[in-house]
Amino acid sequence: EAGVVQSPRYKIIEKKQPVAFWCNPISGHNTLYWYLQNLGQGPELLIRYENEEAVDDSQLPKDRFSAERLKGVDSTLKIQPAELGDSAVYLCASSLYGTVDSEAFFGQGTRLTVV
Amino acid sequence: GQQLNQSPQSMFIQEGEDVSMNCTSSSIFNTWLWYKQEPGEGPVLLIALYKAGELTSNGRLTAQFGITRKDSFLNISASIPSDVGIYFCAGQLRETGANNLFFGTGTRLTVIP
Repeated sequence: EAGVVQSPRYKIIEKKQPVAFWCNPISGHNTLYWYLQNLGQGPELLIRYENEEAVDDSQLPKDRFSAERLKGVDSTLKIQPAELGDSAVYLCASSLYGTVDSEAFFGQGTRLTVV
Repeated sequence: GQQLNQSPQSMFIQEGEDVSMNCTSSSIFNTWLWYKQEPGEGPVLLIALYKAGELTSNGRLTAQFGITRKDSFLNISASIPSDVGIYFCAGQLRETGANNLFFGTGTRLTVIP
């Protein structure tokens, strides 16, 4: 069975440009997460979806970041416009449910470099 | 956000040695988890702990959920070169019950053959 698939793996853009990341969770997983991982740090939650509903987006910088999961399956995270400080790895994860005993599986991440 | 402090930040050990790392928090967590992340990959779950005082093993790995619910440790016995990576603790907050993970700062492990 395929794991969480993210694309692209790497992205280099100039500051002020828009960028989008795509995530396809494990089939049947209701809960999807986007995490931000800065260099040398642990991942930090940006947003959590239960099916197509964003149930926790308190850490998402809404002035420039947006996300969607229209059909409750795959998801897109967008940054517009990108800033130098957005350079990081963006990780997507999914779990069967959003409860504490439901293991979250992570994708390989998208490494964004803003120049 | 929640602060989870891991120590040590990095370790260099000889193959065959045992390793111990820990994680502390100012908050009470409902669940403690330990993940391993290798270069270019996402974190992979190693051990999950659900009860205070719980001691759980997974092969050469042993982890414990602290009695105060504010700390956890991970031990690796007889280290091998493939143990190289960054080990993260993560906690889930007691009051939310939701599967939002708060990650520690990581311990980078290097195993010298």
